[in-house]
Amino acid sequence: NAGVTQTPKFQVLKTGQSMTLQCAQDMNHNSMYWYRQDPGMGLRLIYYSASEGTTDKGEVPNGYNVSRLNKREFSLRLESAAPSQTSVYFCASIEDRQETQYFGPGTRLLVL
Amino acid sequence: ILNVEQSPQSLHVQEGDSTNFTCSFPSSNFYALHWYRWETAKSPEALFVMTLNGDEKKKGRISATLNTKEGYSYLYIKGSQPEDSATYLCAFCWGQNFVFGPGTRLSVLP
Repeated sequence: NAGVTQTPKFQVLKTGQSMTLQCAQDMNHNSMYWYRQDPGMGLRLIYYSASEGTTDKGEVPNGYNVSRLNKREFSLRLESAAPSQTSVYFCASIEDRQETQYFGPGTRLLVL
Repeated sequence: ILNVEQSPQSLHVQEGDSTNFTCSFPSSNFYALHWYRWETAKSPEALFVMTLNGDEKKKGRISATLNTKEGYSYLYIKGSQPEDSATYLCAFCWGQNFVFGPGTRLSVLP
């Protein structure tokens, strides 16, 4: 039981490059989330998926797209990376909002 | 934009001291409040899920209370140890997602 896994762990991009961050959970959870963590800003929600087949914008969705590929996987895509997207990205999953939310180990992204 | 506040922003205590922090959130449409412990270079780890007004939950030396009518939750740590040093986050459940507070950074000095 791996919980929530994320790949890659670390990535360096040049401005304008694209990439996809992968997230998978093996707990059969319905809901999955993508957050970014910036110094002094705490965790901010980028996108979430309340159930398989649905996705919705969070607080800071600009510059990102997501895909809920199946119940296990939820990917985050940067189409044209910008230095402002330098951050640590966390994926999380939860069965119900009144239960425990589990986080992945994070992806550290540097955009030059 | 929904506002979730935490105080203090940071706290330094001596080993053995007891301490507490506050999370403030909107008192209307309450569904759940989560507390997390977040160590540097790791991912947030769930401590408690609070759902009912008057809830009091405990895990070892850490406990939490909830007042949904006035919109606050307290986290208490009894007899702080150096390993308690971390950032403590609260997250308010808003619709289908969560809004996190900025966290309280605790440093426990030996």
